[in-house]
Amino acid sequence: DAEITQSPRHKITETGRQVTLACHQTWNHNNMFWYRQDLGHGLRLIHYSYGVQDTNKGEVSDGYSVSRSNTEDLPLTLESAASSQTSVYFCASGTSSYEQYFGPGTRLTVT
Amino acid sequence: ELKVEQNPLFLSMQEGKNYTIYCNYSTTSDRLYWYRQDPGKSLESLFVLLSNGAVKQEGRLMASLDTKARLSTLHITAAVHDLSATYFCAVDETSGSRLTFGEGTQLTVNP
Repeated sequence: DAEITQSPRHKITETGRQVTLACHQTWNHNNMFWYRQDLGHGLRLIHYSYGVQDTNKGEVSDGYSVSRSNTEDLPLTLESAASSQTSVYFCASGTSSYEQYFGPGTRLTVT
Repeated sequence: ELKVEQNPLFLSMQEGKNYTIYCNYSTTSDRLYWYRQDPGKSLESLFVLLSNGAVKQEGRLMASLDTKARLSTLHITAAVHDLSATYFCAVDETSGSRLTFGEGTQLTVNP
């Protein structure tokens, strides 16, 4: 069965470190998204991609970057982790015409 | 900038009762999603509403969309404990699957 996976599921890192969160989907979807979830804010869009080599900034992109070298993967990099980036991160994939499927999430703590 | 507002944010109800969650959004869109999230889990798609007047029902949940009023409702009929979760609405402003989420409604159904 097709799926979307994220790794790691939990991560603790120190302020200033570079961190990469992985997202892999086997749906063969062109569209992929990264959201963060914080209490009181719902989910907010960080970055998104509509295909290989395409990346775009979302609502809260400062301090984050993504790259899309193939259809299946959209890794999210925190260039220099800050305590404000402690959050739960969700990856999602979908097509332009319909639903979006969410991964299981990565809980990131920056100390 | 698209704003999505849900109310109420917290809802405690008795089993067997009916209630409605409201989702208002600030700009034109004809694509609205409802998701359910259990504590510590990912988002589960409940409904995708794609046009004005769309109504979808699944079990005790029914969702509707009024694009002219920029309003969607999620109606709960004869609530049961298993419906306890956080419910999110999300709007796709551009039909490009970039979702803007409401803050979520935390529903608790008491015996």
